[in-house]
Amino acid sequence: QSVLTQPPSVSGAPGQRVTISCTGSTSNIGAGSDVHWYQQLPGAAPKVLIYTNTNRPSGVPARFSASKSGSSASLAIADLQAEDEATYYCQSYDTFLNVLFGGGTTLTVL
Amino acid sequence: QITLKESGPALVKPTETLTLTCTFSGFSFTTGAVGVAWVRQPPGKALEWLAFVYWNDQNRFSPSLRSRLAVTRDTSKNQVVLTMTNMGPMDTGTYFCAYELHCNGPICAENSLDKWGQGTLVTVSS
Repeated sequence: QSVLTQPPSVSGAPGQRVTISCTGSTSNIGAGSDVHWYQQLPGAAPKVLIYTNTNRPSGVPARFSASKSGSSASLAIADLQAEDEATYYCQSYDTFLNVLFGGGTTLTVL
Repeated sequence: QITLKESGPALVKPTETLTLTCTFSGFSFTTGAVGVAWVRQPPGKALEWLAFVYWNDQNRFSPSLRSRLAVTRDTSKNQVVLTMTNMGPMDTGTYFCAYELHCNGPICAENSLDKWGQGTLVTVSS
């Protein structure tokens, strides 16, 4: 059971917008720890999608955005495309600087 | 260009010790404030952090696995070695190593794992 809670699955039709939540606590996100998001395509290694709460690495489309508030963070994917089907993980740290991953959210594009 | 690659046995027996090597290029422990993390993923399940080793020889371990883990660095070979003792069936999964730029100039932070190896599948079975 992950300390960072994500919905197991979300879905949306092409062109729609979906959001994925990542809920932590005052021992991690709420303590000011940054949140990073990863995309894992089937059979592949994770790839950083958003770093330090809101930043997109070069090459990641602007359709991907994220925010952080209090003890939670959220990833938004606009204009859904078939290639967005993947599992998404949030990652943060606790106050002892242990790395924490969310349980992962599988996105299905209908 | 930063690359990482994990290597080690595909099959270990229960109670044995697992030794995995992460060989990397494109960065060095001696020229940058970097870290290498180990992360594993049981089949069909979520990512789980195991350990971190840093340029300054500091290590961090998952509290739940600390007693079973060790990490060492070989700066001359650009390798990080993870050992996990007393392997059991629940340790079956894909093991990844990943790169973190810990300090960018004077600014140090718990940054994202920017580059990952392809992973290596380890099965624990007799």
